[in-house]
Amino acid sequence: SYVLTQPPSVSVALGQTARITCGEDNIGGTGVHWYQQKPGQAPVLVLFDDSDRPSGIPERFSGSNSGNKATLTISRVEAGDEADYYCQVWDSVSDHVIFGGGTKLTVL
Amino acid sequence: QITLKESGPTLVKPTQTLTLTCTFSGFSLITSGMGVGWIRQPPGKALDWVALVYWNDVKRYNPSLKSRLTITKDTSKNQVVLTMTNMDPVDTATYYCAHSPHYFESVDPAHYFDFWGQGTLVTVSS
Repeated sequence: SYVLTQPPSVSVALGQTARITCGEDNIGGTGVHWYQQKPGQAPVLVLFDDSDRPSGIPERFSGSNSGNKATLTISRVEAGDEADYYCQVWDSVSDHVIFGGGTKLTVL
Repeated sequence: QITLKESGPTLVKPTQTLTLTCTFSGFSLITSGMGVGWIRQPPGKALDWVALVYWNDVKRYNPSLKSRLTITKDTSKNQVVLTMTNMDPVDTATYYCAHSPHYFESVDPAHYFDFWGQGTLVTVSS
């Protein structure tokens, strides 16, 4: 069963690039999905299947997944990107949804 | 446009059973590959998947909660109902329902959540 490890917090200067990781053995073998959650709001899907963006998500959001780590990359970070970010996978062995513990992105 | 909305009690007592209803529009749960899931979030904590039901009535539960959960769908009403027995204060959380799509190129379930309800805060307290 997967245990998705995310750093509790990441800080980035305005306009720079933020990278948020999601780690698990052999996570590269499954699709990883990413959600953004701002305070008091429901989560929003920002990437699915490692790197695909839903309609309306800016191209500044990109992703990669290989080996033991998936990464959400946010380029040219804006103040509005400050939020909690969660990774999620489907464990096809146990048929369960698994969420990571979340990462708080702070924009300096 | 897909929308979902959760409804149910905001306060339940310990040992009681919680019943939450997700009423949705913009899709049908008779469409191959579609699913509706429940996800909860205790105050200040991470997302925690609870349950999922698919168009074909296949159901999946969080193993740590499975003995307490039942998820059902009513396709005529466009509703999904979650029941959780023996509620405890640690179950205090915002409960979200969310749509799980199928892949564009196939009818295989995609196993992620692309549309979410606003959530409903359920407090367990005597």
